[in-house]
Formats: sequence, C-alpha cells, structure tokens
Amino acid sequence: QVQLQESGPGLVKPSETLSLTCSVSGYSITSGYYWGWIRQPPGKGLEWVGSMYHSGSTYYNPSLKSRVTISLDTSKNQFSLRLRSVTAADTAVYYCARHSRDCSGGACYFTPFDYWGQGTLVTVSS
Amino acid sequence: SYELTQSPSVSVSPGQTARITCFADALPKKYAYWYQQKPGQAPVLVIYKDSERPSGIPARFSGSSSGTTVTLTITGVQAEDEADYYCQTADTGGTYPVIFGGGTKLTVL
Repeated sequence: QVQLQESGPGLVKPSETLSLTCSVSGYSITSGYYWGWIRQPPGKGLEWVGSMYHSGSTYYNPSLKSRVTISLDTSKNQFSLRLRSVTAADTAVYYCARHSRDCSGGACYFTPFDYWGQGTLVTVSS
Repeated sequence: SYELTQSPSVSVSPGQTARITCFADALPKKYAYWYQQKPGQAPVLVIYKDSERPSGIPARFSGSSSGTTVTLTITGVQAEDEADYYCQTADTGGTYPVIFGGGTKLTVL
C-alpha cells in the first residue's frame, strides 16, 4: 500500500523559505512515477505547485516557477519542496501526491494524482 | 493564463441526479479528471480519462466530455456524496501541464 506523509514547519515568517518533505512508503520513488506538490489555501481550491521524476525531469506551475524547487532524496525515499520569499498568500494546506506521465499517444500528458498525503497546514506569518 | 471554470455550487435532494460541469477554455486538453474532497481530507480521484471510474468508486459516478465542457454526473445522490468536487485537465500543450478547476460544492438537501 502506497502511503505519503508530509512533514515540516507549520509556521514560516514572511520573506523566508518554506521547506516541506514528503516521506513515501510502500513504493520506491525511483521505480517510476512523478512526485508532486499541490496546495490549498484555507477555504479555497486546489493549486498544483510542481512535480518531479527521479531522472530529474521537473515541471512547475508557471505562476510559482521562479520561487519553487522540488528535489528527491532517493536514499530516504523522500522528496521535498522549497518555496522561497513567501508571503501570506502562500498560507495553505500542502499536499504531496503521486502521478505519472503518459507519452504513448505521441503527445505527452500527466495522469491523475492517485495517492495523496493527508496534507499539512503551513501558515506564513510574523 | 488558462482556466477551468466550475459553477461554485450545486444542490440536489437525495436520490436525484447531480451534474457538475467544468469549462475548459481553448486548451489542448487530452483528458479530464474529477476529484471528490470532503472537509479535512485529501482529494480522492473519482473519474479519470473523462469517463473511467477507479476501482472502489460507486457506479453512480460517471463522467462525460463534449467539446470544451466536461461533466461529472452523480446518479441517485446519497448524503455521503456531499463534498467539494474539482476537475483537472491533462494538458498536452506543455505550458500548463496540471490545471485544477475552482471547485464545486455539492450540497445534498
């Protein structure tokens, strides 16, 4: 059974860097699939942050790309999110999740997120 | 920027049919997916590839696609179906590889 669990500080000061880790069990992150982050501001909808493959291929939300880095730690079967220069607008529940990329039909597209973590609330405040 | 537009809310009585739509403006959409999210929980996939149901999802959930509009239909709504529903598209164009709609709150009266 694939399980994902987010961890990290629940409070970050404005202008600092938000750092979260997702621990994966039941599946090796080097065996395939993209590993991604999705966030949800309180009372609002879902926003994809970015995704990474174990080969290093990454995709980021264009609106966040300049501030985001996703990385993998294959030795710990974990992946991480770093979001720089945060503001109150970055306050959200952050989810980690798994999906894949299908290129079998010529044009590539992402498959849906099939496993999700429970989410962790990060508040940006001084 | 590209957007997926969902109506904010839908209300139905138990046993009725709920239809939740998602409008995708000018996107080289390959497929649409639908997620159900209950309060305090992570989203759960209920439809993929426009109309396919993952294992374990009740048959009352179905999906369809016509042009730039995709629809999630719940036939014979039950009280437990009250939740937020989000559409997501799979973009083959590359600029916006993952997009979510704004979400629709389904209320079971």
